[in-house]
Amino acid sequence: EVQLVEYGGGLVKPGGSLRISCEVSGLTFSDYAMDWVRQAPGKGLEWVATISSTGHYIGYADSVKGRFTIFRDNARRSLYLEMNSLRGEDTAAYFCAKVRWDGTYAADHWGQGTLVSVSS
Amino acid sequence: QSALTQPPSASASPGQSVTISCTGTSSDVGSYDYVSWYQQHPGKAPKLIIYAVNKRPSGVPDRFSGSKSGNTASLTVIGVQADDEADYYCSSHAGNINLVFGSGTKLTVL
Repeated sequence: EVQLVEYGGGLVKPGGSLRISCEVSGLTFSDYAMDWVRQAPGKGLEWVATISSTGHYIGYADSVKGRFTIFRDNARRSLYLEMNSLRGEDTAAYFCAKVRWDGTYAADHWGQGTLVSVSS
Repeated sequence: QSALTQPPSASASPGQSVTISCTGTSSDVGSYDYVSWYQQHPGKAPKLIIYAVNKRPSGVPDRFSGSKSGNTASLTVIGVQADDEADYYCSSHAGNINLVFGSGTKLTVL
């Protein structure tokens, strides 16, 4: 069974930093691209970042470019999101998601999310 | 990277059909056949129900179907059931390694 479990959410002050992680089991992690997607309370889904299976190709939403860094450790079967210069509008549940193998950019397995709250 | 446009709400009685639209631009929906649809129940993670415009993952009932014309994609649910009441989001590849989601549609089963 494929499982994605996010860790590391919490309360952080504006301007602060936080790293969240996602541990993946039940598949060959190094074969798949991965996404981070967030959802502010009561709002819709927002794509945050994508990383290719090898880590060589990375994309970010304009809203986080220059502040967030996505990276992965295939040996540890883990995905990470380093978040700096956090703002109130970054408050959201952050989901990691596995991207389908066939190049269709669809996310077919999701974690349950970890909540990041940015507030003084 | 503007969100794709979806109607905020849709409704249908059990057994009826409903179609939800997703309008983008020539830079995303109009350029790529990589439109996906996700179903999200309250407090749950999203679930992929359609990918590559009209393909269904294993286990998704054939009551769900997708299509695309120009810059607009659509999700149709036939024979709506009570458990279909949820939020629905489209997404589209937007060039390079970028992705964009729709604004979301709340489907109410009357």
